[in-house]
Amino acid sequence: EPEVTQTPSHQVTQMGQEVILRCVPISNHLYFYWYRQILGQKVEFLVSFYNNEISEKSEIFDDQFSVERPDGSNFTLKIRSTKLEDSAMYFCASGQGAGQPQHFGDGTRLSIL
Amino acid sequence: DAKTTQPPSMDCAEGRAANLPCNHSTISGNEYVYWYRQIHSQGPQYIIHGLKNNETNEMASLIITEDRKSSTLILPHATLRDTAVYYCIALGSNYKLTFGKGTLLTVNP
Repeated sequence: EPEVTQTPSHQVTQMGQEVILRCVPISNHLYFYWYRQILGQKVEFLVSFYNNEISEKSEIFDDQFSVERPDGSNFTLKIRSTKLEDSAMYFCASGQGAGQPQHFGDGTRLSIL
Repeated sequence: DAKTTQPPSMDCAEGRAANLPCNHSTISGNEYVYWYRQIHSQGPQYIIHGLKNNETNEMASLIITEDRKSSTLILPHATLRDTAVYYCIALGSNYKLTFGKGTLLTVNP
């Protein structure tokens, strides 16, 4: 069964550094999402992406965050200058259509030191 | 998106049916009821969704009341691997999933 894959599984970064989290969505999917989950808290929506542009973003997704689909297969989340509070699990998801089920990867654990 | 309410935890014996309730009394006509689960710290896993009619797939059944104010997810023969947090979500036209705290289902041997 096709699945969403995320790399790396764990990323450790110094505060203030840039980090790029990578995702390979399911191949025929057109809608892409990033969510995050701070340890012990709820899964939170960050951003949705369709047709090479952001469809919707949450308050969390400020100017430090950006997303890109550079080559038609990868979908990346960049955090420009990481803060301690960015430490969380980051989940990528993809869906075939706007209201279709979103399928999640197993996440990247981001640890900011 | 409509708010959903779920019990914080439930127990179920292995091999028995697990019935997980969800209240969504403010759901609007175009909002789907989605169920996901999260096993330990893995990514959320899609289970099933529906609008008005009851639905069944290889994982579970979804029973939605006629007034759509509540629903029940049924795992017909729970196994130890079904121990997880189960989320009921009303998905609106913005298509962003709003996760609550869910129900921790513990399947006991």
